[in-house]
Amino acid sequence: DVVMTQTPVSLSVSLGGQVSISCRSSQSLVHNNGNTYLSWYLQKPGQSPQLLIYKVSNRFSGISDRFSGSGSGTDFTLKISRVEPDDLGVYYCGQGTQYPMYTFGAGTKLELK
Amino acid sequence: QVQLQQSGAELVKPGTSVKLSCKASGYTFTSNHMNWIKQTTGQGLEWIGIINPGSGGTSYNVKFKGKATLTVDKSSSTAFMQLSSLTPEDSAVYYCARSDNYPEGFAYWGQGTLVTVSS
Repeated sequence: DVVMTQTPVSLSVSLGGQVSISCRSSQSLVHNNGNTYLSWYLQKPGQSPQLLIYKVSNRFSGISDRFSGSGSGTDFTLKISRVEPDDLGVYYCGQGTQYPMYTFGAGTKLELK
Repeated sequence: QVQLQQSGAELVKPGTSVKLSCKASGYTFTSNHMNWIKQTTGQGLEWIGIINPGSGGTSYNVKFKGKATLTVDKSSSTAFMQLSSLTPEDSAVYYCARSDNYPEGFAYWGQGTLVTVSS
């Protein structure tokens, strides 16, 4: 299985600041069809995860443009700008390139400084 | 709007089985695949498997073959997951999650069902 490694495990941010979360895969996530199936999710306290980004850099419906995804191959980054209180929680990356198998990273907890 | 309403928390004994449900509304049930995902503090998020509600076709994470069985009832727009031979390691929150264009990600999630396996 593809192993997804997220760093850091946790980070603190001031409101209005910017943060980056890294996600690295044990194998290239470029599928034979040319697509890269890397997604980002946010799980707010007490809630289910929600999809933020799919296929590396595509924002899901209704997601603020303060969230941006980038990367290729095995290295990916989620950037959050102008952090708001509602952005706090645990962020997960996930890969579907090895479908039907899908694997998630262990998560990065975003807290207020 | 799309809603996935999961069944309530379960307290079950080791060695028994449990069947969780996920009732879909706000869309055509057979148009999108449904996934099940396990969340524990220690193992994080684990994908269990996927079912095509239209055909009933399934795929499973090898780790959960023999443990989880996915089915649907099209007449009630409900997906089910049965977990068998339960052990304390099966204690977790289980989510159903709809995928719009698998494997692009899980666009809609249920609220989760807490399963506690204890004697």
